[in-house]
Amino acid sequence: GENVEQHPSTLSVQEGDSAVIKCTYSDSASNYFPWYKQELGKRPQLIIDIRSNVGEKKDQRIAVTLNKTAKHFSLHITETQPEDSAVYFCAASLANAGGTSYGKLTFGQGTILTVHP
Amino acid sequence: DGGITQSPKYLFRKEGQNVTLSCEQNLNHDAMYWYRQDPGQGLRLIYYSQIVNDFQKGDIAEGYSVSREKKESFPLTVTSAQKNPTAFYLCASSIGVGEAFFGQGTRLTVV
Repeated sequence: GENVEQHPSTLSVQEGDSAVIKCTYSDSASNYFPWYKQELGKRPQLIIDIRSNVGEKKDQRIAVTLNKTAKHFSLHITETQPEDSAVYFCAASLANAGGTSYGKLTFGQGTILTVHP
Repeated sequence: DGGITQSPKYLFRKEGQNVTLSCEQNLNHDAMYWYRQDPGQGLRLIYYSQIVNDFQKGDIAEGYSVSREKKESFPLTVTSAQKNPTAFYLCASSIGVGEAFFGQGTRLTVV
């Protein structure tokens, strides 16, 4: 089955710096890679996702890059703010060409991001 | 107001007791999932269901059981066979392979 490894487990940055979280996956057939943010005591929420037919996707201060050959993908947060402090999870899953069938979503272990003012 | 609802928010279980966690969604999603969250271990998949009356074991299914009699509902039973059930349990649903929407979670504690 799929295995997703996420690093680092904790990340501390100063406000305004960039933060990068990396994930590797084992199943070369996986083609959907979401990132979730979980604030303390709250539910995880999707912040960005990427499918394997693209190499990079950006949404304001966050971006995700995907290297299919190396089987790794990364989350980049620029100009970090204290409200970015949370636990971030990467995940991998498999969709068919039409995106209608689905397999289980496998998560990484999570990264605790702390942004110091 | 569409969404996914878990109940109860907090649950206490005595040794040897079975307990059932509720998960209901009104998003018309076919797929539903149960995850267990422990500190430092991320989200681990317990069971998932892609369609009514069908479900598959995830990575840590031992000691748990589920049913999917209705599209809207996917209850999880934590049986006495689960030796370390204290954890945060999250239910999620999705349509196809795309964004998974999570419930607020149930925190289960063995007393």
